[in-house]
Amino acid sequence: DSGVTQTPKHLITATGQRVTLRCSPRSGDLSVYWYQQSLDQGLQFLIQYYNGEERAKGNILERFSAQQFPDLHSELNLSSLELGDSALYFCASSVGRLQGKYGYTFGSGTRLTVV
Amino acid sequence: DQQVKQNSPSLSVQEGRISILNCDYTNSMFDYFLWYKKYPAEGPTFLISISSIKDKNEDGRFTVFLNKSAKHLSLHIVPSQPGDSAVYFCAATGGTSYGKLTFGQGTILTVHP
Repeated sequence: DSGVTQTPKHLITATGQRVTLRCSPRSGDLSVYWYQQSLDQGLQFLIQYYNGEERAKGNILERFSAQQFPDLHSELNLSSLELGDSALYFCASSVGRLQGKYGYTFGSGTRLTVV
Repeated sequence: DQQVKQNSPSLSVQEGRISILNCDYTNSMFDYFLWYKKYPAEGPTFLISISSIKDKNEDGRFTVFLNKSAKHLSLHIVPSQPGDSAVYFCAATGGTSYGKLTFGQGTILTVHP
């Protein structure tokens, strides 16, 4: 158990629908990161939050949004889902905003299947 | 724009031998490089990192080498064990990318008994 909790573990939904993925960071960590891993692809950075504020944005589609709440948990909202959104979505957390030497701690992911 | 590349999708080695996983990068502003290991149905776990001011970092059976002039890093696992079989990702951070890790596509390592 890495200490980063992601729910649900699996999600199957239809095209056009909206889903919310939830992440609870490791205790004491202020930064939350979201990554997408599609089939045969590396981990693509989506977005970072630090202590409730958006800090960095990657290749996140306009149909996707995220937020970090006062209790530091984060939610990733995916709307108007398409077949191509099927992927593993990982959340990671770290103590600070800048993580060089130690990287961050990942959760076990949410597998989203859009049918 | 693939700033971090792992050109070998897979690698197969015998138990006890050395595994060498390679990674190339293009962004000269990167100043930390990391390796993660990922088992099926789990998230990636941090393995080892190296600062750009060093050329080698060792942790037990794992050693990472950095060649800044060639923009290349490698992970050596000696001796390899069947439990090392996993997907290995290299990642980098620094410059305007500071705060996020940029990952390669991963290399599947299989260690045969």
